[in-house]
Amino acid sequence: QKEVEQNSGPLSVPEGAIASLNCTYSDRGSQSFFWYRQYSGKSPELIMSIYSNGDKEDGRFTAQLNKASQYVSLLIRDSQPSDSATYLCAVNSGGGADGLTFGKGTHLIIQP
Amino acid sequence: SQTIHQWPATLVQPVGSPLSLECTVEGTSNPNLYWYRQAAGRGLQLLFYSVGIGQISSEVPQNLSASRPQDRQFILSSKKLLLSDSGFYLCAFYRAGSYNSPLHFGNGTRLTVT
Repeated sequence: QKEVEQNSGPLSVPEGAIASLNCTYSDRGSQSFFWYRQYSGKSPELIMSIYSNGDKEDGRFTAQLNKASQYVSLLIRDSQPSDSATYLCAVNSGGGADGLTFGKGTHLIIQP
Repeated sequence: SQTIHQWPATLVQPVGSPLSLECTVEGTSNPNLYWYRQAAGRGLQLLFYSVGIGQISSEVPQNLSASRPQDRQFILSSKKLLLSDSGFYLCAFYRAGSYNSPLHFGNGTRLTVT
């Protein structure tokens, strides 16, 4: 059974601070990892992809991957109220055709 | 560019009524297509996926079915809806063969079964 675990939150972070979101996965064969942002009532929007161990930065977002620990994280620097959303961690195990396995998401609230 | 269209955006249906949700993709050929459902307080659950016309794989046994009558068209159906079918239905795709790519989602259909 492929599982992706996230803390559901809510995670409350003051505006301008760093928000740290975490995710663990069960399948050691997982090859690709994604973070999606989902605003209430909307569909998920891809914000980061990461495929190898280490950090990947894109603007205010940094994704971190540690395959040995089966751990993925997302850091949001200089958090803005517009970052308030649910963040979904998704994993593709083995590169097969059966899509991505998603965590339940972490609800992030940025306090002005 | 590759785009995905899904309709309707919202739907309210009585228990026992039929369902048909449609999804089409533009700008690519032979895409892998997916139907996910997101119920309140739960994560995204994969319902069906298709790697080609007429090829449907079911992940969860239930009263829903899927069909792929054309290369870029994916339909989710039910003959008789249950209350438990309420949720946010999302169609998604990535380019054929790019199994390590991210999925791209349509805007979703909010289904309420009353």
